[in-house]
Amino acid sequence: EADIYQTPRYLVIGTGKKITLECSQTMGHDKMYWYQQDPGMELHLIHYSYGVNSTEKGDLSSESTVSRIRTEHFPLTLESARPSHTSQYLCASSRNSLNTEAFFGQGTRLTVV
Amino acid sequence: KNQVEQSPQSLIILEGKNCTLQCNYTVSPFSNLRWYKQDTGRGPVSLTIMTFSENTKSNGRYTATLDADTKQSSLHITASQLSDSASYICVVSDRGSTLGRLYFGRGTQLTVWP
Repeated sequence: EADIYQTPRYLVIGTGKKITLECSQTMGHDKMYWYQQDPGMELHLIHYSYGVNSTEKGDLSSESTVSRIRTEHFPLTLESARPSHTSQYLCASSRNSLNTEAFFGQGTRLTVV
Repeated sequence: KNQVEQSPQSLIILEGKNCTLQCNYTVSPFSNLRWYKQDTGRGPVSLTIMTFSENTKSNGRYTATLDADTKQSSLHITASQLSDSASYICVVSDRGSTLGRLYFGRGTQLTVWP
């Protein structure tokens, strides 16, 4: 069982609300990632981090922002949620080497109404 | 363009039967290939990871093969169980950057019937 946790698991919010999806890992991994996944579709990278104070945008354009103030914590924030943000958000982490496993959290299923 | 294609898109088998899932990729330069199992509404869980020099790796009833020359991989599931019902995702990593970017297939949705 991977030591990476996401909260909340499910979230239903109204349009225009600000939300933060939490992701924490206790494995001391430097690399952390946020992916977005729609049903039946592949995962798309939206943000990643090499370590503390490092954040980069991924392949898929996203209106969300991230921060990495501590190694173990990589929260994702939406300033003003819209129905188009409805999706599953998956957080992952890995050690800082090439052929290393990436561990995924259980995901947050976000619904914006 | 770096891509990962999986087939079939979905598969239904009876409990106890074997099955094989396919993955073709164009990711270059290649670093490693991973198979993940993703239960509905959950995060993916790693089954195997293979580098260029490995052509087969097993994890219990799961056996993955890799042909780096033809850029193909397969995942064979032996004596399937109801709990094998899930999406199986092929993921290829490149070594063109320090990130080791991951390229995801869309997955094969496997359903095991009793």
